[in-house]
Amino acid sequence: ETGVTQSPTHLIKTRGQQVTLRCSSQSGHNTVSWYQQALGQGPQFIFQYYREEENGRGNFPPRFSGLQFPNYSSELNVNALELDDSALYLCASSSSRMPGASTEAFFGQGTRLTVV
Amino acid sequence: AQSVAQPEDQVNVAEGNPLTVKCTYSVSGNPYLFWYVQYPNRGLQFLLKYITGDNLVKGSYGFEAEFNKSQTSFHLKKPSALVSDSALYFCAVRDRTGTASKLTFGTGTRLQVTL
Repeated sequence: ETGVTQSPTHLIKTRGQQVTLRCSSQSGHNTVSWYQQALGQGPQFIFQYYREEENGRGNFPPRFSGLQFPNYSSELNVNALELDDSALYLCASSSSRMPGASTEAFFGQGTRLTVV
Repeated sequence: AQSVAQPEDQVNVAEGNPLTVKCTYSVSGNPYLFWYVQYPNRGLQFLLKYITGDNLVKGSYGFEAEFNKSQTSFHLKKPSALVSDSALYFCAVRDRTGTASKLTFGTGTRLQVTL
């Protein structure tokens, strides 16, 4: 177990709705990144939060937004859901903005989102 | 931008035989490379990383990886495969966007170990 927990584990939403996914990072980790993993593909970087501020974003539209709280937990919000948003959403925490330099990123088990 | 490629969608190995899962990389500068494993309905589990130093990196569950700069490769290996090693394996490279450091993943290789 990595100590990174995500909720809920599964979710079904209707096209056009909004969804909030949650992530509790590993103790002592101040950086959270979110990834989208579509079926049969590798995870794609959505954005990263460091000390409550977004400090980098992948190629995702503005309807994907997030928050990081003082305890370093995080939320991913997706508005106006589309069918293509169906995927596994992974949260990763690390103790540095630069995972890999001295530490790796630890992933949660993911939230499986299905948009119908 | 940094990238990695996993040329094999699936690798089949008999239990007890050695296994290799291939990864090649394309980076500017020094590569920071990773292997992760994903079991069904689970998140990604870290196996090992290469930052600098020895070209042979040892990781979790008996896995190791060989960094080869001349061939720009970072293949994952295990001397003796187990049925329980059957899973989806991802190679990744550290990349940057804005002031963030992210992981850029390959498309994954499914490892099937049979009795």
